[in-house]
Amino acid sequence: EVQLLESGGGLVQPGGSLRISCAASGFTFSSYAMSWVRQAPGKGLEWVSGIGRSGVNTYYAGSVKGRFTVSRDNSKNTLYLQMNSLSAEDTAAYYCAKGRDSESSGSYGMDVWGHGTTVTVSS
Amino acid sequence: QSALTQPASVSGSPGQSITISCIGTSSDVGSYNLVSWYQQHPGKAPKLMIYEVSERPSGVSDRFSGSKSGNTASLTISGLQAEDEADYYCCSYAGSSTSVVFGGGTKLTVL
Repeated sequence: EVQLLESGGGLVQPGGSLRISCAASGFTFSSYAMSWVRQAPGKGLEWVSGIGRSGVNTYYAGSVKGRFTVSRDNSKNTLYLQMNSLSAEDTAAYYCAKGRDSESSGSYGMDVWGHGTTVTVSS
Repeated sequence: QSALTQPASVSGSPGQSITISCIGTSSDVGSYNLVSWYQQHPGKAPKLMIYEVSERPSGVSDRFSGSKSGNTASLTISGLQAEDEADYYCCSYAGSSTSVVFGGGTKLTVL
């Protein structure tokens, strides 16, 4: 079964850092681009970041550029998002999603999604 | 404010057809055939319903169809069913600097 499982969410203070992970199974992880999409409580979806299959190509939304870093370990079938300088505006459920292609930012469609991990930024 | 504009809500009766619009610009929807649509039920993860404007993933009902004209993309659901009640989001490629943008979402109510 194709599956994505996010972890690592939690409560963090403003200005703090957090790394969330996404473990993939049931498909050849190293062949596909991956993305992070977040959803603030009661709000819509916001694309955050994407990464190509090899990890060389990375993409970021303007709202997180310079603060967030996406990476992947194909030997561990795991996607990561390192989040620094967090603020209340970053409070959201963070979903990882599998791209249909190998190098885009999710623009060709994201066909597998995890259940999400919640990040709360508050003092 | 979302980059793509969707109506906040639409409604229809079982068996009817509805269309959800997604208005972008010449920098996103109008320039690329890379519009996708996602369905999200409350408390659940999004699900891909349409990709590349009008393509349906395997397993998605053919009651769902997508189209595009100029800067506006559309999702049409025919033969409405109670299970179609959900939030729907459009998404478009917006060039190398912006990458991907979502619409604000549309809540579909099946009366």
